[in-house]
Amino acid sequence: QKEVEQNSGPLSVPEGAIASLNCTYSDRGSQSFFWYRQYSGKSPELIMFIYSNGDKEDGRFTAQLNKASQYVSLLIRDSQPSDSATYLCAAKSLYNTDKLIFGTGTRLQVFP
Amino acid sequence: DADVTQTPRNRITKTGKRIMLECSQTKGHDRMYWYRQDPGLGLRLIYYSFDVKDINKGEISDGYSVSRQAQAKFSLSLESAIPNQTALYFCATSDGSLSYEQYFGPGTRLTVT
Repeated sequence: QKEVEQNSGPLSVPEGAIASLNCTYSDRGSQSFFWYRQYSGKSPELIMFIYSNGDKEDGRFTAQLNKASQYVSLLIRDSQPSDSATYLCAAKSLYNTDKLIFGTGTRLQVFP
Repeated sequence: DADVTQTPRNRITKTGKRIMLECSQTKGHDRMYWYRQDPGLGLRLIYYSFDVKDINKGEISDGYSVSRQAQAKFSLSLESAIPNQTALYFCATSDGSLSYEQYFGPGTRLTVT
């Protein structure tokens, strides 16, 4: 079982809608979680990180963490075609703070 | 100028050849990482280093070696390249803070024929 799992997609949403991206993790020692965006052929770039249960908002993006359910999500409000990319979820373990474990990513397509 | 640079950006090589991928950073970070990315498999950690004397294997280190020449430079070598090492390779750096953001280089697309 992979430690961080994501649906590969593609997730297709119309412009202006809310895109919901989900991630589950198996290591209960995971301490903090990261969402990276990766455009095709480009390097990943950090969108948000979260380490407390609940929601964290930054502009159009909201990260949600539920440690009891081992579940992390990223909501993108007012989705734009420029949001079309692959979104990588990553986790950092309390017991091995030196590494990030990445999921395989979810491809998001926002159509006009 | 980019904070994390990788050379070369693209490379085609033949099976059995030795190849080195180089990474340099100007962010002043102690931690450096090498990943490979394959379609459907996500980012997988090859090696990571906390300083010039501290090198650690990641989940897929077989067939690879690294050298941390200085705080700012971290090289990845394929001693004898094989076709299944064809992938997109990323170098990343981090300062190890709570945010633990890893800053990625632009990537090297390696093809082994």
